[in-house]
Amino acid sequence: EPEVTQTPSHQVTQMGQEVILRCVPISNHLYFYWYRQILGQKVEFLVSFYNNEISEKSEIFDDQFSVERPDGSNFTLKIRSTKLEDSAMYFCASSVETGGNTIYFGEGSWLTVV
Amino acid sequence: AQTVTQSQPEMSVQEAETVTLSCTYDTSENNYYLFWYKQPPSRQMILVIRQEAYKQQNATENRFSVNFQKAAKSFSLKISDSQLGDTAMYFCAFMKLLSGNTPLVFGKGTRLSVIA
Repeated sequence: EPEVTQTPSHQVTQMGQEVILRCVPISNHLYFYWYRQILGQKVEFLVSFYNNEISEKSEIFDDQFSVERPDGSNFTLKIRSTKLEDSAMYFCASSVETGGNTIYFGEGSWLTVV
Repeated sequence: AQTVTQSQPEMSVQEAETVTLSCTYDTSENNYYLFWYKQPPSRQMILVIRQEAYKQQNATENRFSVNFQKAAKSFSLKISDSQLGDTAMYFCAFMKLLSGNTPLVFGKGTRLSVIA
């Protein structure tokens, strides 16, 4: 069964460093998302992406965050200058369409900022 | 804004027994979708079941079924014949039915332990 894949599975980075999290959505999906889950808390929406542009973003997704689809398969989340509070599991997700279609999640990238 | 409330932080159930996880939500929307996601210790988010608000019939997927009460804004998950592999965090989630990418809004989750 097709799945969303994410790399790395775990990354440790120093505060202030830039981090890029990578995702390969399911191949025929057109809508892409990033969600975040701080340890012990609920999953929170960061951003959605369609047709090579951001379609919606949350308050969490401030200027230190950016997303990109550099080629036909990858979807990346960049955190420009990491802070301790960015430590979380970051989930990439994709869906075929919008309007209630099921969103499929990857296994997550666990980011630890020290 | 929509909110999703899961009032049971933790639950446990004996293997082969039935357990029901509660979820309530608040919205002014009439058309929307509801989901239950499972997050085992591996931390991957796995879709368990989904329900369209315009459908009166409760969704069922094998041992998993929901009790959707639209007027009460309640969406509980029933797991029958619980198995050890059902041990996980369960998240209830809401999605508006609109054009464009409407994000999922999650509850805080219920940690379910299935005991042998």
